[in-house]
Amino acid sequence: DAGVIQSPRHEVTEMGQEVTLRCKPISGHDYLFWYRQTMMRGLELLIYFNNNVPIDDSGMPEDRFSAKMPNASFSTLKIQPSEPRDSAVYFCASSIARPFGETQYFGPGTRLLVL
Amino acid sequence: AQKITQTQPGMFVQEKEAVTLDCTYDTSDQSYGLFWYKQPSSGEMIFLIYQGSYDEQNATEGRYSLNFQKARKSANLVISASQLGDSAMYFCAMREGQGGSSNTGKLIFGQGTTLQVKP
Repeated sequence: DAGVIQSPRHEVTEMGQEVTLRCKPISGHDYLFWYRQTMMRGLELLIYFNNNVPIDDSGMPEDRFSAKMPNASFSTLKIQPSEPRDSAVYFCASSIARPFGETQYFGPGTRLLVL
Repeated sequence: AQKITQTQPGMFVQEKEAVTLDCTYDTSDQSYGLFWYKQPSSGEMIFLIYQGSYDEQNATEGRYSLNFQKARKSANLVISASQLGDSAMYFCAMREGQGGSSNTGKLIFGQGTTLQVKP
């Protein structure tokens, strides 16, 4: 079975450019999460969706960040304009609602470097 | 506020021996879930094991077991018969709610423990 798919795996861009990260969740999963991992802050949740609807975006750092989920099989995280402090690994994860203990399965991550 | 604490930045273990990675948590919720993930040097996050706050028995998955002590708010990961491939960063995480429609879905992660297995 295919896991969570993320693209690109690596992205190098210059400050001020727009960056779009893409995610395809596991088929049938109804939750999708975007996380960011940095040395300073560790792993932190940016936003998550349930049935394509954003539920909690309190972790989105600022207006430069936006996320969409136009359908059950695709989500994007966009940074516009990008800044060097946005350099991090961005993970997408998905899960399926169960009465107890659904597990979030992570994609391989996108390593972003903003110069 | 919820919090996950992993007090061991780095650990060493001899191949074939068992090792315990510590995790303590803080929450006022009665219903919550605890997870362990492994992150090898390649960077992916691999789910290892889950424990629900109402589960009476400690979770086990192959060589992984979770030593859940609810009163102490600890959820230590035990890896038995360590292998060289176990060398990685290990993260403890907590989620509010047991799951289902009332689940917030949000995972809070600890800072991680780096485990190195010596041959």
